[in-house]
Amino acid sequence: AQTVTQSQPEMSVQEAETVTLSCTYDTSESDYYLFWYKQPPSRQMILVIRQEAYKQQNATENRFSVNFQKAAKSFSLKISDSQLGDAAMYFCAYRRASYNTDKLIFGTGTRLQVFP
Amino acid sequence: EAGVTQFPSHSVIEKGQTVTLRCDPISGHDNLYWYRRVMGKEIKFLLHFVKESKQDESGMPNNRFLAERTGGTYSTLKVQPAELEDSGVYFCASSYLWGSGTDTQYFGPGTRLTVL
Repeated sequence: AQTVTQSQPEMSVQEAETVTLSCTYDTSESDYYLFWYKQPPSRQMILVIRQEAYKQQNATENRFSVNFQKAAKSFSLKISDSQLGDAAMYFCAYRRASYNTDKLIFGTGTRLQVFP
Repeated sequence: EAGVTQFPSHSVIEKGQTVTLRCDPISGHDNLYWYRRVMGKEIKFLLHFVKESKQDESGMPNNRFLAERTGGTYSTLKVQPAELEDSGVYFCASSYLWGSGTDTQYFGPGTRLTVL
């Protein structure tokens, strides 16, 4: 069975600084997707970034980038130039690649605090 | 375009009572998922509808949970009778079928269920 582990329950960063959130996963599949979702307080969860396992290049979305290490089964999220609006729960998620979109498997989340 | 909506946002009931949660997916999304997060733990998959059919219900905890999606539009999740361990946040997500558009799962704001 696939599992996702987020070992940092809480992290904090100062505004304008950089922070990295860790995620490891376990799977025997060779083709899959990895995601980082963000849930701000009392708001909906939104997709931050996704990575296809077959792509060697790390995904980037503006200030958000990932470090995808397939052999190590590691998928960390780097937030550069942190902003107050980045404060949220961040969930790492895995999904098998299939013709009909499969369920997401989530980690336990990391609560990120951003200090001015 | 309206996002995924869920009703109610909060529900407090007593053990043994019945509660029905509702999810309205994004228009055109044939995939509909239910997930649950118990306090401090990971978000866990409950079930997946493709249109009105249950594609995968492997995450449903027991037969006290009944999910329906009549007509392939909105979905309901009924818990009857509710137990203390059913407390948590219930999320609904929706996405396009493979090949119909982006396969990103869009999440609703969740329903916080408290069973006393």
